[in-house]
Amino acid sequence: DQQVKQNSPSLSVQEGRISILNCDYTNSMFDYFLWYKKYPAEGPTFLISISSIKDKNEDGRFTVFLNKSAKHLSLHIVPSQPGDSAVYFCAASGNSGGSNYKLTFGKGTLLTVNP
Amino acid sequence: GAVVSQHPSWVICKSGTSVKIECRSLDFQATTMFWYRQFPKQSLMLMATSNEGSKATYEQGVEKDKFLINHASLTLSTLTVTSAHPEDSSFYICSARGIPGYTFGSGTRLTVV
Repeated sequence: DQQVKQNSPSLSVQEGRISILNCDYTNSMFDYFLWYKKYPAEGPTFLISISSIKDKNEDGRFTVFLNKSAKHLSLHIVPSQPGDSAVYFCAASGNSGGSNYKLTFGKGTLLTVNP
Repeated sequence: GAVVSQHPSWVICKSGTSVKIECRSLDFQATTMFWYRQFPKQSLMLMATSNEGSKATYEQGVEKDKFLINHASLTLSTLTVTSAHPEDSSFYICSARGIPGYTFGSGTRLTVV
């Protein structure tokens, strides 16, 4: 049973446009959510996170929205740049992301930003 | 920011040999580190949670005798793949709780021939 789902394996957008990556979760105990960017043969790089006490968190071009009732979160990248092309993983944790609590990852979405 | 160093970045070994992968938190202390495995085009699957000074907690289906984890200090955790077989070939990644969130190492590509 996959607790974190990224239903779109890939997404292609034009440079300058908005990229919207979606993520759904099933475990109501999750209260801390993170987005990571990953290039092939490299470790994931942290992008942005959000606690369940918030519904939005913004950092530069990246904004994460959380809809707890729908158990859905999304990552918005605007404007999209070719360098944003990578696999994006959604991850979730319980215990407010405490150090002992493991992350559960989605399968990732490959974003391609075309010049 | 928090940095996690993972070494080696890639390794090729013969079947039946053992391989050790190191994961170091460079500028912070990590009482807990995590080891993941990623197959091509798949998600990161948690293998085990490594706790400093105590035994690791393994996820269901992960052989603890095959994947030995040691967390001897607050900045170092090691994963040893014992008696490696071709099916152990994969991308292994460690992570540690840092600021902000969890910081990942750069990963190790293991190929068993």
